[in-house]
Amino acid sequence: SYELTQPPSVSVSPGQTARITCSGDALPKQYAYWYQQKPGQAPVLVIYKDSERPSGIPERFSGSSSGTTVTLTISGVQAEDEADYYCQSADSSVVFGGGTKLTVL
Amino acid sequence: QLQLQESGPGLVKPSETLSLTCTVSGGSISSSSYYWGWIRQPPGKGLEWIGSIYYSGSTYYNPSLKSRVTISVDTSKNQFSLKLSSVTAADTAVYYCASHMVQGVINPVGWFDPWGQGTLVTVSS
Repeated sequence: SYELTQPPSVSVSPGQTARITCSGDALPKQYAYWYQQKPGQAPVLVIYKDSERPSGIPERFSGSSSGTTVTLTISGVQAEDEADYYCQSADSSVVFGGGTKLTVL
Repeated sequence: QLQLQESGPGLVKPSETLSLTCTVSGGSISSSSYYWGWIRQPPGKGLEWIGSIYYSGSTYYNPSLKSRVTISVDTSKNQFSLKLSSVTAADTAVYYCASHMVQGVINPVGWFDPWGQGTLVTVSS
């Protein structure tokens, strides 16, 4: 079955740039979506269609795609960005990546 | 704007059927723009899509759960529901409902936004 692979954790200092990757064989053909989930809260969509940002999401969140890998980039990371981030795509079925815990040092 | 709220029992016995309802407010469940989806998250683990339904009743299901899942819609109440049969402890999770913006025609390609707050369902005797 189709899988999306994310690193378990990423750590950055405040003000630096965080990059979270997501790899999957179908990503060259299908869009990816990104969600932020803080403890005890529901996920929130932060990027759709690889690089589109929903209204209300800060400009420091951006997305890109290259081949079988998509990347969520958070520029000028703030303490409030500490959360779990999940990528999602779909082929014949909806699939989520395993999640990446972003730690702001 | 759209808001979704899950409801249902927080405790289900093994081998029984888990039943949850999602109430949609701020918009019509009969909108042609959306499917309506269920996603779950076991404690301390990642997200797993369960399935999605259109207001007409058309469904997509996760193949790994398909044999145990039924998703239905009640347009008169602006609600959709999940039934998961023969539950075990492995089905203990926070269950979320969400609006599913399906872009594909034959595949459930699309994103989930917004999500309900989630409800914890524990399977235990």
